Amino acid sequence: GAGVSQSPSNKVTEKGKDVELRCDPISGHTALYWYRQSLGQGLEFLIYFQGNSAPDKSGLPSDRFSAERTGGSVSTLTIQRTQQEDSAVYLCASRVNGRVTSNEQFFGPGTRLTVL
Amino acid sequence: AQSVSQHNHHVILSEAASLELGCNYSYGGTVNLFWYVQYPGQHLQLLLKYFSGDPLVKGIKGFEAEFIKSKFSFNLRKPSVQWSDTAEYFCAVQPWRDTGRRALTFGSGTRLQVQP
Repeated sequence: GAGVSQSPSNKVTEKGKDVELRCDPISGHTALYWYRQSLGQGLEFLIYFQGNSAPDKSGLPSDRFSAERTGGSVSTLTIQRTQQEDSAVYLCASRVNGRVTSNEQFFGPGTRLTVL
Repeated sequence: AQSVSQHNHHVILSEAASLELGCNYSYGGTVNLFWYVQYPGQHLQLLLKYFSGDPLVKGIKGFEAEFIKSKFSFNLRKPSVQWSDTAEYFCAVQPWRDTGRRALTFGSGTRLQVQP
């Protein structure tokens, strides 16, 4: 596709339910990031995938959060037993790996998650 | 760990006014610097970036930013704003050497409102 796509665009769920958020990166981009944007705050790094390497999970806020990337392309972010503080916009970004000049990350439109 | 401060949370200007949005970061090493913009209802887009060389960087739509290493600053400027510049602006830094992860650390954003 032309850009990074994410689905769903909006998700409303009840506290305690599990949710899955999907990201389709730009074709050929080997690096994929998940960020979270909470109300009134900047974007917070969650997790990073690069090719077949083990993901960098250092930004995940708790063990209720997990993510996988199948076939080096599509990624799914899963939040188990959602809490109200999980309400945020979840953004995915992808990047071509390579030299410094290719460090730009391209962002998707985000998924707005609301936990009631 | 690095951090980014955007001291102006909400700026209101009239059309044709000049704009300067502050961005300061804390990190002891070399960084790449970015400004992203998020127009209402749209996803994050790269406005401009600095990797090395001339510290005055020109981006899209007449925006520019100046990297002042001694002040750890990367302020965004535009001589004459338009109503269409109404958006949220995010400054971001990326340690030049961070084991390849290259995740961005964002500021909390500045909401710019341009009045016609």
